[in-house]
Amino acid sequence: DAKTTQPNSMESNEEEPVHLPCNHSTISGTDYIHWYRQLPSQGPEYVIHGLTSNVNNRMASLAIAEDRKSSTLILHRATLRDAAVYYCIRPSYSGAGSYQLTFGKGTKLSVIP
Amino acid sequence: EAGVTQFPSHSVIEKGQTVTLRCDPISGHDNLYWYRRVMGKEIKFLLHFVKESKQDESGMPNNRFLAERTGGTYSTLKVQPAELEDSGVYFCASSQVVQEREAFFGQGTRLTVV
Repeated sequence: DAKTTQPNSMESNEEEPVHLPCNHSTISGTDYIHWYRQLPSQGPEYVIHGLTSNVNNRMASLAIAEDRKSSTLILHRATLRDAAVYYCIRPSYSGAGSYQLTFGKGTKLSVIP
Repeated sequence: EAGVTQFPSHSVIEKGQTVTLRCDPISGHDNLYWYRRVMGKEIKFLLHFVKESKQDESGMPNNRFLAERTGGTYSTLKVQPAELEDSGVYFCASSQVVQEREAFFGQGTRLTVV
């Protein structure tokens, strides 16, 4: 149970902004939202994560709704290298203070030159 | 800083043989995870080490899979005997605390059982 819902696929034109949505309606107050992506033939790669406030890093921005039931990953200028499957993940508690990542189907982003 | 390293990158073995995959996590990361992606399927969790202890092995498919983490450093995942359905890409990840911090993944080992 990935506990998040994402569209199966999205398309974007190169150099245009991309907004990837994620629903996590059952999120609790202490659950972080993580985003990872997997480029073809590579291991998953961390993108960004956040708890309540919007977050920015060199790769992307994460906008978290005020009620925290949804979030949006924002790629400010899509490049061909951004074509990947993007995963929105709520880490699952596995006991003794430990968490694990549960991957769902993710959103396959295609970037059109 | 060195990333997560996995050996080998590819392995082709015959059904019934034994294969051992290795993962070297980032130094200082107590948490080590194994995942598997079978062709056309989602990435599935296999197990989670905290230091040398198995915190969660609920995703291990069956008793043909044995994971160890020596001294809380590198980890091995042994498949014995291998079956055709074990084919896939095996990923290892390490993290300090995956809730508040990110996890770092290796490039994976592509296992093909023929």
